[in-house]
Amino acid sequence: QQQVKQSPQSLIVQKGGISIINCAYENTAFDYFPWYQQFPGKGPALLIAIRPDVSEKKEGRFTISFNKSAKQFSLHIMDSQPGDSATYFCAATYDTGGFKTIFGAGTRLFVKA
Amino acid sequence: NAGVTQTPKFRVLKTGQSMTLLCAQDMNHEYMYWYRQDPGMGLRLIHYSVGEGTTAKGEVPDGYNVSRLKKQNFLLGLESAAPSQTSVYFCASSPLGTPDTQYFGPGTRLTVL
Repeated sequence: QQQVKQSPQSLIVQKGGISIINCAYENTAFDYFPWYQQFPGKGPALLIAIRPDVSEKKEGRFTISFNKSAKQFSLHIMDSQPGDSATYFCAATYDTGGFKTIFGAGTRLFVKA
Repeated sequence: NAGVTQTPKFRVLKTGQSMTLLCAQDMNHEYMYWYRQDPGMGLRLIHYSVGEGTTAKGEVPDGYNVSRLKKQNFLLGLESAAPSQTSVYFCASSPLGTPDTQYFGPGTRLTVL
């Protein structure tokens, strides 16, 4: 299975709160799990990424938690700010001689001031 | 550095017309990709290239052709456009050293009537 399932579709969080987005995958060949952030009218931009040999990675207010046995990973945004309002995509990548990336459907985050 | 650029930004076609979307990158990246983004479906890989003169099919290649005659350019062609190809098209590139880290262009919004 190639799918990456992402939830929720949309999320509203108060300023200063924690935003949590979850993803699940099936294919154990995936070996890189990036999160992309996309603002309206722009292309996606890499936010943070993790490899399956690590259970957590933190960069500033953004943390990925990874559960290899459950085949799940999540993005936590601490102290959410209005400027974080964007669409977030989880993804999973595997090497087939070229690096194929399968994206989740996206989560539209709105942070209320 | 301009990064990844896409031409045109917007286009309206009639069913059956043909067109070519141009992607250019000035980062000397080996890998290049074409995605389409549709509401609620994330990004889906159309075709990709692992180097000059090479191309390969992604998840949704039907109705599209690609060429990579120069390392810095990746062209996406629609020979006979259909309304189902109405979408936002994103090009991306990634370097040889970290091929799973993709840099995206700003997108081309295509409407087929």
